[in-house]
Amino acid sequence: KNQVEQSPQSLIILEGKNCTLQCNYTVSPFSNLRWYKQDTGRGPVSLTIMTFSENTKSNGRYTATLDADTKQSSLHITASQLSDSASYICVVSATTGGSYIPTFGRGTSLIVHP
Amino acid sequence: DVKVTQSSRYLVKRTGEKVFLECVQDMDHENMFWYRQDPGLGLRLIYFSYDVKMKEKGDIPEGYSVSREKKERFSLILESASTNQTSMYLCASSSPDRESGGYTFGSGTRLTVV
Repeated sequence: KNQVEQSPQSLIILEGKNCTLQCNYTVSPFSNLRWYKQDTGRGPVSLTIMTFSENTKSNGRYTATLDADTKQSSLHITASQLSDSASYICVVSATTGGSYIPTFGRGTSLIVHP
Repeated sequence: DVKVTQSSRYLVKRTGEKVFLECVQDMDHENMFWYRQDPGLGLRLIYFSYDVKMKEKGDIPEGYSVSREKKERFSLILESASTNQTSMYLCASSSPDRESGGYTFGSGTRLTVV
């Protein structure tokens, strides 16, 4: 069964600090991995997407890494800001007959304190 | 930018009412999805559709039905709302293109059944 596990479940950091969120998956056949940011009460918004051949992708202060051999990804946030407080969801898609079937992690809740 | 629009941000309905949640996307995407999101459970797939008038059950279809009469519109129907259907409902659409095989979400509808 395809699974995506995220850790930690929640994280509290001080403004300006860095942090790293983890995503481990068992999804096959792998197509791509996305990180989403979801503000409270809103829909998820895509941060990065990586395919099998990519091992790092940046979007401003967000940097995602992918190790396809160990089936692990991380999202690193640099110089955190109060607006980074949100839930971060890892989504791994498998390819089935030309369609993309997503498996969602349960998310990491990040709180950034001033 | 791709836009997925959900007709209501907040809804309060009574037990037993028939409830319609509407979702419209403007990018000519073939694939559309309905999820519900509950604390600690992450996103769970209710129904999805790969084409007009086509629908497939997701992981938790009980108590729900869907309608896709036009490509851009995907409706979720609660035939007889119950309190355990109080949740955040998220609509998403996707393109089958490999590089962008991710999901664009709507802002969500927070449904409360009393």
